[in-house]
Amino acid sequence: EIVMTQSPATLSVSPGERATLSCRASQSVSSNLAWYQQKPGQAPRLLIYGASTRATGIPARFSGSGSGTEFTLTISSLQSEDFAVYYCQQYNNWPPRTFGQGTKVEIK
Amino acid sequence: EVQLVESGGGLVQPGRSLRLSCTASGFTFGDYAMSWFRQAPGKGLEWVGFIRSKAYGGTTEYAASVKGRFTISRDDSKSIAYLQMNSLKTEDTAVYYCTRVGLQNWYFDLWGRGTLVTVSS
Repeated sequence: EIVMTQSPATLSVSPGERATLSCRASQSVSSNLAWYQQKPGQAPRLLIYGASTRATGIPARFSGSGSGTEFTLTISSLQSEDFAVYYCQQYNNWPPRTFGQGTKVEIK
Repeated sequence: EVQLVESGGGLVQPGRSLRLSCTASGFTFGDYAMSWFRQAPGKGLEWVGFIRSKAYGGTTEYAASVKGRFTISRDDSKSIAYLQMNSLKTEDTAVYYCTRVGLQNWYFDLWGRGTLVTVSS
């Protein structure tokens, strides 16, 4: 089974700054990679699918890139509502249930 | 409004059963595969299982940790997915989320707010 590894575990960023989150797959997942955001006490929300396509209603400050085994989620200018935990998920290989352990973006 | 609403959570003793419901609205429920996830307190997301749409046989798959104890079913006429949980263990304590599987591919494009299941004596 594919293992998804996210780094760093915690990212301390000041509001208005850029945040860069990484996700690595143990084998190629092509561009079949999704990103989710989970705020405290809330359900996860789909942000990105296909490695780089924003889901409906997701602001343009969120962008995804990468293919194969290396992926990046970038938040161009952090807003207060962006402080949350972010998960990546591969859906290239069966079963499509593999999530990373998450990166917590906290206020610096 | 497109949404999923889970219900049925609560406190249950080890070894007992509980059935969760996921009521969908705002979309054609029968067209989609549905999945359940759970999240133990302070932990990451754990996939529980899913059920395909009837067009794909309505078949199910489960995580090894729940296989043989949990059953997912669906009633397309009511737009409800169910998670029947039997022989519950303390380690099943978690918030359970119902999710919709994307039509084009296996990402999870809609999530419910979750329902808390606490297994304790």
